[in-house]
Amino acid sequence: QSVLTQPPSASGTPGQRVTISCSGSSSNIASNTVNWYQQLPGTAPKLLIYSNNQRPSGVPDRFSGSKSGTSASLAISGLQSEDEADYYCAAWDDSLNGPVFGGGTKLTVL
Amino acid sequence: EVQLVESGGGLIQPGGSLRLSCAASGFTVSSTYMSWVRQAPGKGLEWVSAIHGGDNTYYTDSVKGRFTISRDNSKNTLYLQMNSLRAEDTAVYYCARDPPSRPFDYWGQGTLVTVSS
Repeated sequence: QSVLTQPPSASGTPGQRVTISCSGSSSNIASNTVNWYQQLPGTAPKLLIYSNNQRPSGVPDRFSGSKSGTSASLAISGLQSEDEADYYCAAWDDSLNGPVFGGGTKLTVL
Repeated sequence: EVQLVESGGGLIQPGGSLRLSCAASGFTVSSTYMSWVRQAPGKGLEWVSAIHGGDNTYYTDSVKGRFTISRDNSKNTLYLQMNSLRAEDTAVYYCARDPPSRPFDYWGQGTLVTVSS
């Protein structure tokens, strides 16, 4: 059981906009920044969004993040086949004194 | 270019020990925070341990007293000493650069640890 809650799956067709939610609590998302990671099949995770809504260089602006209260969201616009991957949210947890991850969302491009 | 290369994984019996290594290039491990994150087969990501400036170390509860994180600045390498291994420790172990401003901004390719008799 992960500290942060994500839907196990999401899907969309090419060109569509998809959002993935991440729900937490006052000890993590509400009081700390949220980061998102993309894990393509058979590869290591990659930082996709940091500090709620910042993109590292090289990440397309099709990817965006937002946070409100105890929840965060990752939005992917103009969905492409290469976006098919697992997506994880993460945040520092003040009660556990360590970072916590969501359970991951498997995105399927139909 | 930042690179992280893990090694040291393998098949080990319950109760055994293993030391994982993570060789870094493109930056110095002593200059930033570093972490180990694991992923059990078919499961999600779980933070395991971190080492911060001044060699302050942190662990998730399930590995406290069994795992030890350390680094060798002369070799620019991060380590994870794992003792009293259990079946539930079976996972791919990733090392990751973990600066506060951009957590887990670079990851290694991972090394598989299988604990089984």
